[in-house]
Amino acid sequence: DSGVTQTPKHLITATGQRVTLRCSPRSGDLSVYWYQQSLDQGLQFLIQYYNGEERAKGNILERFSAQQFPDLHSELNLSSLELGDSALYFCASSVFIGNEQFFGPGTRLTVL
Amino acid sequence: GNSVTQMEGPVTLSEEAFLTINCTYTATGYPSLFWYVQYPGEGLQLLLKATKADDKGSNKGFEATYRKETTSFHLEKGSVQVSDSAVYFCALAVQGGSEKLVFGKGTKLTVNP
Repeated sequence: DSGVTQTPKHLITATGQRVTLRCSPRSGDLSVYWYQQSLDQGLQFLIQYYNGEERAKGNILERFSAQQFPDLHSELNLSSLELGDSALYFCASSVFIGNEQFFGPGTRLTVL
Repeated sequence: GNSVTQMEGPVTLSEEAFLTINCTYTATGYPSLFWYVQYPGEGLQLLLKATKADDKGSNKGFEATYRKETTSFHLEKGSVQVSDSAVYFCALAVQGGSEKLVFGKGTKLTVNP
């Protein structure tokens, strides 16, 4: 158990819908990262937050957004969902930027 | 840009066989290098890391040496066990930036008894 929690574990929804994925980092970790794992693209970095502020963006679609709240938990919002958005979404956290990242168990999103 | 190339799988070995999974990288700056392991149905776990040239990371019998001259970080284990069956990812993070991880495509290892 890494100490990073993600909810829900599984999510099945339809095209065009909007979903929210939640991540609670390890206690004391200030940095949160979101990654997408899909069969065709592999593991890709989406976005990073540090102590509530957006720090870096990767290959994140405009339909996706995220935020980190004062209690340091983070949410990834995916809207206007398409079949190709079906993937495993991982959250990772680290104490500061540059420290080891600890990964959560992931949320498996299926878009039908 | 930064990228990681690792050998395509799947790799199937018998128990106690020697394992090598090749990984090479391209990076601007001075990357830290990592091997992560993903067991079925689970998230990623850090297996080992190396932060500078010639460093050797090791854990649970796995080893990898940071070779700057060949831009490589090959994973090795002398004697694999059935419990090592998993997907292995090589990754890098460039220091001084966001430290986001750039992953290779992963190599699935199956160890048969």
